[in-house]
Parts: sequence; structure tokens; C-alpha cells
Amino acid sequence: NAGVTQTPKFRILKIGQSMTLQCTQDMNHNYMYWYRQDPGMGLKLIYYSVGAGITDKGEVPNGYNVSRSTTEDFPLRLELAAPSQTSVYFCASSPSPQETQYFGPGTRLLVL
Amino acid sequence: AQKITQTQPGMFVQEKEAVTLDCTYDTSDQSYGLFWYKQPSSGEMIFLIYQGSYDEQNATEGRYSLNFQKARKSANLVISASQLGDSAMYFCAMREFQRGGGNKLTFGTGTQLKVEL
Repeated sequence: NAGVTQTPKFRILKIGQSMTLQCTQDMNHNYMYWYRQDPGMGLKLIYYSVGAGITDKGEVPNGYNVSRSTTEDFPLRLELAAPSQTSVYFCASSPSPQETQYFGPGTRLLVL
Repeated sequence: AQKITQTQPGMFVQEKEAVTLDCTYDTSDQSYGLFWYKQPSSGEMIFLIYQGSYDEQNATEGRYSLNFQKARKSANLVISASQLGDSAMYFCAMREFQRGGGNKLTFGTGTQLKVEL
């Protein structure tokens, strides 16, 4: 049972480059989330999705885009990377809004 | 807006002793949920325990229990019989429902726990 998987584990980007962080879950959860964790801080919600084809902004969406074409996948796109986007990115999923969220292992991103 | 406060940046505890990690929250919602997550040095977020605002009894999961005091708006995590493997960062979080469905977790800044021999 893989749960929530994320790729890559670590990436270095130059300012202005773009990339896609991949997230896949095999639990058939409708709800998926992207968070970022800055050093010494808790997690902040970037985007979330309540099902295939439906996404919405969270607390810190600027500089990011998402899509949800399937139940399993919820990629996060960074356009024109900036040093302020240096962070650890976590993807999570839950079967319903009331239940706990299960997190992936995270992607560490460094923008130089 | 919801807010989670964890006032203990770091805590030390001796192995086999109990430790309490503090968490206070602020919300105007009547229905909410409180979570505790553990983040070891490897970085993953591990769900520990959940308490719903309407739950009358304090939640327990093995060595973890949640001391829920609704009137004081506190949701402290108690770890009994600490083990070396409990050394990690611990986050308190509150569930907030979003306008489009789904929910957001608002996290505190965390407490770094170190278990000593």
C-alpha cells in the first residue's frame, strides 16, 4: 500500500525556471491538498481539490497552478520560480472533509 | 480566521516519563476538529490523534492522549512512557472547512521534543 507518493524528493531550480511536482495517491480519495512548509514553521495550504476536475485556491496560491484530471493525480506547477518558493512541499489526501489527511513524504525545493 | 498557538518551541523529557505538549486554538466555528501530527527528522508528517469539537471524551491512541478542554480552547497532547523514537517535531492543527468543499488544516509552529536517556 503506497499511500501518497511524491516526486521528486529534492530539486534545485534556477530563478525563472518552471517545474511540476508530482503527487499520486492509491487510496481512491476524492480530496487532495498541496501544502508548503517553510523552515521552522507549520504547513500552509496552497491549493486543494475535492475531486477530478475541481480545484480551488488555499491560503498561499500565488505563483502556483494545479490540475486534477484523475482521482489519483494532483500535480503542482511552479511557473517562473522565485527564491521565496524555496520550501518543502507536501501533498495530502483524505476520503472526506471530516477525516484526517494523509501526507506524502514531501519534496524539498531550493530556488537559487 | 482560525489560529493555533504552540508556546513551547522545545521540550526535553526523560525516557519512560510522560510529557505534555501544549496547544491552544482560536475559532468562531461551533464544529471543528483538532489534530496532532508528528514530523521526525526524516521529514514526513505522521498523523497521531484526532479530537472533534463535539466529542465528549478525550481521544486516545495507544500512548497518545489528547487533553481537550473546550472552554479553555486547549488541546494538549500527552505522550505517556516516552521512547527515544518519540524525538521529533510535533504539530497541532485545526480543521477549517473551505467554501468550495474540502478542508484546510491550520498548523501551529510546532514543538521540538527530545527524549533523553
